[in-house]
Amino acid sequence: KQEVTQIPAALSVPEGENLVLNCSFTDSAIYNLQWFRQDPGKGLTSLLLIQSSQREQTSGRLNASLDKSSGRSTLYIAASQPGDSATYLCAVKDSGSRLTFGEGTQLTVNP
Amino acid sequence: DTAVSQTPKYLVTQMGNDKSIKCEQNLGHDTMYWYKQDSKKFLKIMFSYNNKELIINETVPNRFSPKSPDKAHLNLHINSLELGDSAVYFCASSRGQENTEAFFGQGTRLTVV
Repeated sequence: KQEVTQIPAALSVPEGENLVLNCSFTDSAIYNLQWFRQDPGKGLTSLLLIQSSQREQTSGRLNASLDKSSGRSTLYIAASQPGDSATYLCAVKDSGSRLTFGEGTQLTVNP
Repeated sequence: DTAVSQTPKYLVTQMGNDKSIKCEQNLGHDTMYWYKQDSKKFLKIMFSYNNKELIINETVPNRFSPKSPDKAHLNLHINSLELGDSAVYFCASSRGQENTEAFFGQGTRLTVV
């Protein structure tokens, strides 16, 4: 059974810092890995999708990497802003179309 | 246009009642999901349908019954609601096994009193 772990559970940084969020998964037989953002009381917004054959994806100040063999992914946020404050979730998709989520990292960027 | 839409957004009801949550997607996806997000914000899959066929059915009480009248709709009916059913329920869709993104609705916050 796939298990996804995200570290740290919470992170508070001053504005402008670069930061890394970590995601690990136990079963490397994944189809893809997706990073989401969730604002309080809101739904999930997709940030980046990395296919199993890819090593990284970039979108603006966000860069996500994937090391499938070791079961790890990182989300790098450059020059963080207060508007980046949210909960970040990673999810892995298996061949049966199941999306398994981690518990999330709650990020606070202080002005 | 909203890609994945759920109704209602908020639902407050008494224990023992039966309620339904509706979900529709206009993305042309063939796979739809229901997820439950508990008070600790953990998202856990409940059901998944592919082309109207049930493909994932987690350990969920049989008071919960999904229904997919067509590929674009996946509704969730809950009988005899209990206090522990209070949570946020999210509908999502994707293109099955293809390497495409999953899109989520805005959630339905269910409160059982």
